[in-house]
Amino acid sequence: ETGVTQSPTHLIKTRGQQVTLRCSSQSGHNTVSWYQQALGQGPQFIFQYYREEENGRGNFPPRFSGLQFPNYSSELNVNALELDDSALYLCASSTGAQNYGYTFGSGTRLTVV
Amino acid sequence: QKEVEQDPGPLSVPEGAIVSLNCTYSNSAFQYFMWYRQYSRKGPELLMYTYSSGNKEDGRFTAQVDKSSKYISLFIRDSQPSDSATYLCAMMSGSEKLVFGKGTKLTVNP
Repeated sequence: ETGVTQSPTHLIKTRGQQVTLRCSSQSGHNTVSWYQQALGQGPQFIFQYYREEENGRGNFPPRFSGLQFPNYSSELNVNALELDDSALYLCASSTGAQNYGYTFGSGTRLTVV
Repeated sequence: QKEVEQDPGPLSVPEGAIVSLNCTYSNSAFQYFMWYRQYSRKGPELLMYTYSSGNKEDGRFTAQVDKSSKYISLFIRDSQPSDSATYLCAMMSGSEKLVFGKGTKLTVNP
């Protein structure tokens, strides 16, 4: 299977709850990045994982955490959800050797009420 | 000052027009410059990639980078209704993260 797949596509959570978003990277890609895209804004870098280790983090609080698994799939976990966490969460994978060649998934739209 | 500035538009043009999209940036460490296209309810799709300064052409699309002015452009010739989307500029310094502009929403009217 080619391409980046994300699940679920849509999610509604209540403020204070926790959420886990999932990403299957493109075949052959060992680097996964997560981005948050608020409505009308460009994507903002959350963090990147390379070979199961965090390889860089943007300006997001510790309640945003992640994992990468041996098959290079990944999870994004957000604890203590706030209303401002409502956004499209994008996963992008690459080979790492050519970092510009990111392939993005279609994203998970999270709504916090 | 934001690292990357992009006019969000919206921009509306007739079919066949030449479209010019632009971004400015403040971080002189940026070396890699990209344009992504994002259709509604989809993830960004890489359109053009340029390393350092110069021009790159791919079909109807031309990307230009002027590092001395910290200014990048994307030109779309003979625009089509299927080009209607949000166009995002993105940059990186060779580290791990892409820094995006806000995106410009383009509508090409038949």
